[in-house]
Formats: sequence, structure tokens, C-alpha cells
Amino acid sequence: DGGITQSPKYLFRKEGQNVTLSCEQNLNHDAMYWYRQDPGQGLRLIYYSQIVNDFQKGDIAEGYSVSREKKESFPLTVTSAQKNPTAFYLCASTRRSMNTEAFFGQGTRLTVV
Amino acid sequence: GENVEQHPSTLSVQEGDSAVIKCTYSDSASNYFPWYKQELGKRPQLIIDIRSNVGEKKDQRIAVTLNKTAKHFSLHITETQPEDSAVYFCAASNPQGGSEKLVFGKGTKLTVNP
Repeated sequence: DGGITQSPKYLFRKEGQNVTLSCEQNLNHDAMYWYRQDPGQGLRLIYYSQIVNDFQKGDIAEGYSVSREKKESFPLTVTSAQKNPTAFYLCASTRRSMNTEAFFGQGTRLTVV
Repeated sequence: GENVEQHPSTLSVQEGDSAVIKCTYSDSASNYFPWYKQELGKRPQLIIDIRSNVGEKKDQRIAVTLNKTAKHFSLHITETQPEDSAVYFCAASNPQGGSEKLVFGKGTKLTVNP
């Protein structure tokens, strides 16, 4: 059963801590993306990667970091430098670029406590 | 960079009526325009898309129109049903722009009242 999986579904973080959100796909997609979703703000791009060992900053990359060591995996680390990390995070993947259908994970809701 | 504006932010219709959501984009080089539907608590899913060499595309009760000159595109849902209630996002991308990223509008919350 092909798809894109995010974990965990819910995540709680204490202030000052780094946390890592997992995103795995078995669709053999080259490109992977991280979006942040806030109420009334739509989907804002954090980071994206079109090939293994390469990634680019999106519109709101500050306070976040990523790695792309394997084609299947694109983890996102929310660092303590991110001032307002509480949000819903969505990972997506596409075959090559964003001019084809993007498949989204089910999302991770991060809350800072 | 690309900027996508979406209107309205909320839309309430009676079951059976039509719903129209409009988006404008800023980058004239953008050539791919998908629409995603996100039901409450679920992931966004593609419902229809259009490319710049086409002016209109239809899939059952859903249609999308594109006006490249005016740089706007619209989603039309006819004979709305309660299960159409969701948040709808438009998006635009310019694969030739170097970044190949998809820029989303802020979303429209559609409520279909029975």
C-alpha cells in the first residue's frame, strides 16, 4: 500500500527543546516538501528537496532544519530558534516537481507546552 | 516570487446551489494550477488541476477555468452536497522558474447547508 506517512500525529514540546518530525514515502517520488498550516494562513512552504542530499529553503525556513539522506525520508527538525512552533505540519511528495499531483501525509500537530 | 490570492475566505451555500472560488496569481510564468480539498482533520487531496495551455477543465460537478491574460483561475462546484463541505486551496507553480515550488492560497472554507 503506497503512501506518505508522518509521525507522530501529535507532538508536545517544551520550550527550548528541539523536536524532529518524521516523513516517509514509498511512492518512489523524487521531490519532498514540508508545509506549515496555521488557521487562515493556508499552507506555507518551509523546506523542499528535489533530490537526495539536496534541499532548499522555502518561505519560512527560519528555525527549522531538514536532511535528505534517503529518497524515502525527509525529516524536519523544529529547533528552539523557532519562536512560534505550535502549528500543524504537513509533508508532501511529488514525482519530480510541483507541476504534478502532490500527495500529502496526514500531518503532525505540534504543541509547545 | 509567486503570490496567490484566494477569495472568499468563507463561503456558505444551500445544498444544490453552485459555489465559486476565485484565485489570482502574480507570476505570469506560472503554468500549473491545482485545487486541493481538505476535510476537517484530514490531509489535502487533489480534486482537479489545469495547465496553462487549457482554458477550462471539467470533472463531473467540478470545473476549473483559467484566464492567463488576467492571471486568475476559478473553481466551480455545481449541485453542491453536504460532503462538499471542506477547506479548498488553490495553488500555482512555475516549474521553469528554478525553484519549482507550489504556492498556495490561504484557503476557502466552504459550508454546504442541507
